[in-house]
Amino acid sequence: QKEVEQDPGPLSVPEGAIVSLNCTYSNSAFQYFMWYRQYSRKGPELLMYTYSSGNKEDGRFTAQVDKSSKYISLFIRDSQPSDSATYLCAMSTGGGNKLTFGTGTQLKVEL
Amino acid sequence: GAVVSQHPSRVICKSGTSVKIECRSLDFQATTMFWYRQFPKQSLMLMATSNEGSKATYEQGVEKDKFLINHASLTLSTLTVTSAHPEDSSFYICSATRTSQETQYFGPGTRLLVL
Repeated sequence: QKEVEQDPGPLSVPEGAIVSLNCTYSNSAFQYFMWYRQYSRKGPELLMYTYSSGNKEDGRFTAQVDKSSKYISLFIRDSQPSDSATYLCAMSTGGGNKLTFGTGTQLKVEL
Repeated sequence: GAVVSQHPSRVICKSGTSVKIECRSLDFQATTMFWYRQFPKQSLMLMATSNEGSKATYEQGVEKDKFLINHASLTLSTLTVTSAHPEDSSFYICSATRTSQETQYFGPGTRLLVL
């Protein structure tokens, strides 16, 4: 079993839809949770960063962390074609330790 | 911001030659830099972690004599692929962290093609 599980998709939604992306994990020591967006042939771009459990909102993006369920989510409101990309969840135990990534979910927002 | 650059963005070389990739943090000092490779439609695979002034720590299965990492300053790390072969063709991405922060900021990546 992988430490971090993420549905690879592809996930196809119409423009304007609310998108829900999720990851589950098995290591209860993870404390720092990130979501990255990666366009084809580009490096990942940090979207959201959350420490421990809770919600964080930034514009159209909301990140949720439920440590009791070992489950994290990223919600995208009013999705746009420019949101079409691969979304990677990542997490670490802290102390400068390496990130553990999900496999990434490919999202396509259609006109 | 937290901008990380990589150079070159793409390189084509002949089998047996060595290729050097540079990773720079442009607007912050990076105590730690990471090197990843990524195959098509796959997630990032960590190759090594480098701290300024120290030897890099390589992940299991990554040949340290083949992938030489130098982290000479707080803003520059280099990855040299020595005696490159076609199976080394991949997308190489670096990332950097600020002091006391957990988030990694990624460079745009370098696409290496070995003929």
